[in-house]
Amino acid sequence: EAGVAQSPRYKIIEKRQSVAFWCNPISGHATLYWYQQILGQGPKLLIQFQNNGVVDDSQLPKDRFSAERLKGVDSTLKIQPAKLEDSAVYLCASSLVGTGVYTEAFFGQGTRLTVV
Amino acid sequence: AQKITQTQPGMFVQEKEAVTLDCTYDTSDQSYGLFWYKQPSSGEMIFLIYQGSYDEQNATEGRYSLNFQKARKSANLVISASQLGDSAMYFCAMREVMNSGYSTLTFGKGTMLLVSP
Repeated sequence: EAGVAQSPRYKIIEKRQSVAFWCNPISGHATLYWYQQILGQGPKLLIQFQNNGVVDDSQLPKDRFSAERLKGVDSTLKIQPAKLEDSAVYLCASSLVGTGVYTEAFFGQGTRLTVV
Repeated sequence: AQKITQTQPGMFVQEKEAVTLDCTYDTSDQSYGLFWYKQPSSGEMIFLIYQGSYDEQNATEGRYSLNFQKARKSANLVISASQLGDSAMYFCAMREVMNSGYSTLTFGKGTMLLVSP
């Protein structure tokens, strides 16, 4: 079974530029998550999709971050314009369902973003 | 208030020794799930072990066991017979059901474990 795929693995941009990350979840997984992991910290949930609808985006800085999951499969996360404090690893995860408390999330390898 | 607290930024252990990584959590829900993940330097998050709030027995998976003390709201990970490959960041996480009916996974800040020969 193929895992969660993310690209690119690494990205370096200048502040005020824009950047986009792509995620392909495990086939058949209805729930997709984007997490931001700043160096030395735990992952913080940015947005959670159920199929192509958003169920939680309370921690997404909506003035600069946007995400979509068209057709309920692949997802893109965009930052425009980027700030220095956006430097982090962006992790995508998916799970078969988005309900219940025993729902294992499977993670991609992440995209490491450096804003200079 | 932090939902998941991991008070040990770093831990050192010698190969073949056992080590306990601490995790306390905060929730008013009766139903929740507790997870431990391992994150090696390569970056991927690897699921290790799960404990449900209604599970009466402590979870075990090979060399990993979870010391679940519900009244104290703690879910410590015990790794027995440490191996060099266990060196990594370890994250405790909790899944709770939101008002929407969907559940979300919240992570602690992690503990860096270093295993020495």
